Amino acid sequence: EDKVVQSPLSLVVHEGDTVTLNCSYEVTNFRSLLWYKQEKKAPTFLFMLTSSGIEKKSGRLSSILDKKELFSILNITATQTGDSAVYLCAASASGTYKYIFGTGTRLKVLA
Amino acid sequence: DADVTQTPRNRITKTGKRIMLECSQTKGHDRMYWYRQDPGLGLRLIYYSFDVKDINKGEISDGYSVSRQAQAKFSLSLESAIPNQTALYFCATSETGSTEAFFGQGTRLTVV
Repeated sequence: EDKVVQSPLSLVVHEGDTVTLNCSYEVTNFRSLLWYKQEKKAPTFLFMLTSSGIEKKSGRLSSILDKKELFSILNITATQTGDSAVYLCAASASGTYKYIFGTGTRLKVLA
Repeated sequence: DADVTQTPRNRITKTGKRIMLECSQTKGHDRMYWYRQDPGLGLRLIYYSFDVKDINKGEISDGYSVSRQAQAKFSLSLESAIPNQTALYFCATSETGSTEAFFGQGTRLTVV
């Protein structure tokens, strides 16, 4: 059965801290891994990763994929209160384009 | 204007009632999806459609049905709502050949 597991489930940090969120996956015919940020309702897209070892960056956020060890990490440096959200990881499989989501990591950044 | 629009945004309904959630998109994508989100369970796929004549069951399709009326419209129906269908429902779209999904704002459904 395909699955995506995220850790930790929740995290509380102070502004300025650096956090690393983890996502491991077991997906048959894996195609890509996506990260989303969900603040109130709709998830907003952050990154899509298809190749191992290539870091994607967007401001203070970065992410990398390891297809050999079947995991991805999302790093947030110099965290701000606006980074407080649930971060979702999803894996897609070739041939189906279904998305298998993890349960998310709830991040709370304290001022 | 949102690219993926869901209506209604919030709904309270009684057990046994039929309810329809609507999704429309202006992105021109062929692929559309319905998910539900429950605390601690993440997003789970209910149904998906790769084009107007294609309907596929997802992980948790029991108790739900869908209709793809046009490329831009994908509706989800609960024929006889039950309390454990209380959840946040999301519609999403993606382009053929891409794995990036675009989500609607969600519909919060409460079945009492």
